[in-house]
Amino acid sequence: GAGVSQSPSNKVTEKGKDVELRCDPISGHTALYWYRQSLGQGLEFLIYFQGNSAPDKSGLPSDRFSAERTGGSVSTLTIQRTQQEDSAVYLCASSLAMAGTASQETQYFGPGTRLLVL
Amino acid sequence: QKEVEQNSGPLSVPEGAIASLNCTYSDRGSQSFFWYRQYSGKSPELIMFIYSNGDKEDGRFTAQLNKASQYVSLLIRDSQPSDSATYLCAVKVNAGNMLTFGGGTRLMVKP
Repeated sequence: GAGVSQSPSNKVTEKGKDVELRCDPISGHTALYWYRQSLGQGLEFLIYFQGNSAPDKSGLPSDRFSAERTGGSVSTLTIQRTQQEDSAVYLCASSLAMAGTASQETQYFGPGTRLLVL
Repeated sequence: QKEVEQNSGPLSVPEGAIASLNCTYSDRGSQSFFWYRQYSGKSPELIMFIYSNGDKEDGRFTAQLNKASQYVSLLIRDSQPSDSATYLCAVKVNAGNMLTFGGGTRLMVKP
């Protein structure tokens, strides 16, 4: 079946502009995660959604970052007033559930959006 | 102390050798352990998961879990240049939380 999809695959923007990144999880997956990965670095957790529960926003680096998930499916990560340090690959992942068996918790990643802020 | 730790490497092994990648975690209550592979410029992909002490084999890959010592390893037998990638360890630290990822170990398999 279809995997996690993300759009756009690449985004170049000017400092100070707002950007929206989209994630389409695997159908039936209730948990959705956003990560950021700078060049040569590990995964930095940003936010996750689990079903209809309030999202865990503990990883968002500043109030310029926000995310929503409509209808328990598609999610949008918005970065306002972008800064050069926001340049990174933004990865989305989904899993059947956030908590359960190891199989249910397995996260499947999308191809990422490469964001470059000039 | 980080919750999940990996040596960043690079770990260099000759083609055909066994590559051994290690990951330690801080929470004794951790329940599930995952290994992901990430090629340069690509997103992480699942290799395997393990949740019981001992070994779990899948083809050339073997995951080893030792909860008493709080480490999980990934062995790659007959390493190939195509195995060159960064390997990420992820741990379910406790029941209420999502996976916590280590920083990854870069593996280089030289022909």
